[in-house]
Amino acid sequence: GEDVEQSLFLSVREGDSSVINCTYTDSSSTYLYWYKQEPGAGLQLLTYIFSNMDMKQDQRLTVLLNKKDKHLSLRIADTQTGDSAIYFCAEIDDSWGKLQFGAGTQVVVTP
Amino acid sequence: EAGVTQFPSHSVIEKGQTVTLRCDPISGHDNLYWYRRVMGKEIKFLLHFVKESKQDESGMPNNRFLAERTGGTYSTLKVQPAELEDSGVYFCASSRAANNSPLHFGNGTRLTVT
Repeated sequence: GEDVEQSLFLSVREGDSSVINCTYTDSSSTYLYWYKQEPGAGLQLLTYIFSNMDMKQDQRLTVLLNKKDKHLSLRIADTQTGDSAIYFCAEIDDSWGKLQFGAGTQVVVTP
Repeated sequence: EAGVTQFPSHSVIEKGQTVTLRCDPISGHDNLYWYRRVMGKEIKFLLHFVKESKQDESGMPNNRFLAERTGGTYSTLKVQPAELEDSGVYFCASSRAANNSPLHFGNGTRLTVT
């Protein structure tokens, strides 16, 4: 099975908050990442968190890390239509920067 | 600085044919990675170059896939002969330092094998 798991779909109303959840298995991961893929585009690094942190805030984005439960979440405040995309959670798999990705969460923002 | 560029953006080929994908990393990035996403599943690692050397090719599916990075600049990924299950989006990424350096991804090549 997958080492990194995410829910596959999230629908949210414009202006509401979105929360995307992810669970991972490698407790030795030093960094955990969130990537965004818009239609027809590549993977854009959204944000990342170092494993000794519990929370990181970057404008409308808040990342929460629960190391005990190996749970990572991304909260998007005041979700906009431009936030519609696939969001991938990823953990570093080895010391050479190899990433282990989840299957991605499709976020659809409705007016 | 220019980002990671991949060519072509789309490729449609018949089963049994050969396709070569190209990736130009960000200038100065020694680390180059290939990943693949098949039909809505997770993005899977294929291989990792450090300069011109293959550091890790544990994700390569089989010997129909051949990756090269001659001169340590751009890389090519050749699939020969292509099979139906090779269809997917092939992403290339690069980073300056291997450890703790975010990967910068290209837009990917969408490969369709019919």
